[in-house]
Amino acid sequence: EDQVTQSPEALRLQEGESSSLNCSYTVSGLRGLFWYRQDPGKGPEFLFTLYSAGEEKEKERLKATLTKKESFLHITAPKPEDSATYLCAVRVHGGSQGNLIFGKGTKLSVKP
Amino acid sequence: SAVISQKPSRDICQRGTSLTIQCQVDSQVTMMFWYRQQPGQSLTLIATANQGSEATYESGFVIDKFPISRPNLTFSTLTVSNMSPEDSSIYLCSVDRGHEQYFGPGTRLTVT
Repeated sequence: EDQVTQSPEALRLQEGESSSLNCSYTVSGLRGLFWYRQDPGKGPEFLFTLYSAGEEKEKERLKATLTKKESFLHITAPKPEDSATYLCAVRVHGGSQGNLIFGKGTKLSVKP
Repeated sequence: SAVISQKPSRDICQRGTSLTIQCQVDSQVTMMFWYRQQPGQSLTLIATANQGSEATYESGFVIDKFPISRPNLTFSTLTVSNMSPEDSSIYLCSVDRGHEQYFGPGTRLTVT
């Protein structure tokens, strides 16, 4: 069974304290790994798509990396406005085009 | 990117009634997707809506409970029928734009 697990469930950081969020996956065949940011009361906001091991993508203070078993979302010198829930999802071979399998997310809190 | 709007943004409904959620996209798309986000759970795909054909439902979801319409390439509706408190959830519309998948702001449904 295709599965996505995110850790930790919650993470509290001080402003400027860099850290990483983990997304491990067990899938039959990976077509893409997606990262989203979700603020309370809003829909997920697209951040990145990664396709192959070794791939990296960056956006402001965020950098996503991918291996054959997991992905990391690195947050460098976070600010309070980075506080949100970060979701990881995979698209698998044989699945319907829009079927992303999501993890439960990591809730990040950044204190000033 | 994609601009997606949903109506209503939230609603409180009595058990046994039905609610229809609307989704509008800023440009034409072949497929539109409906997801559910239950409290403390991962986002889960309900069905894929194709224009001019029947929607395709994922395992555990049936047309009688979640009828879907797709009258044109920018609009879709999802109806939650004969609601029970277990249907309390956030319902999200989503579209795929090549390597990226975007979500609407969601409809927060509470069933009393």
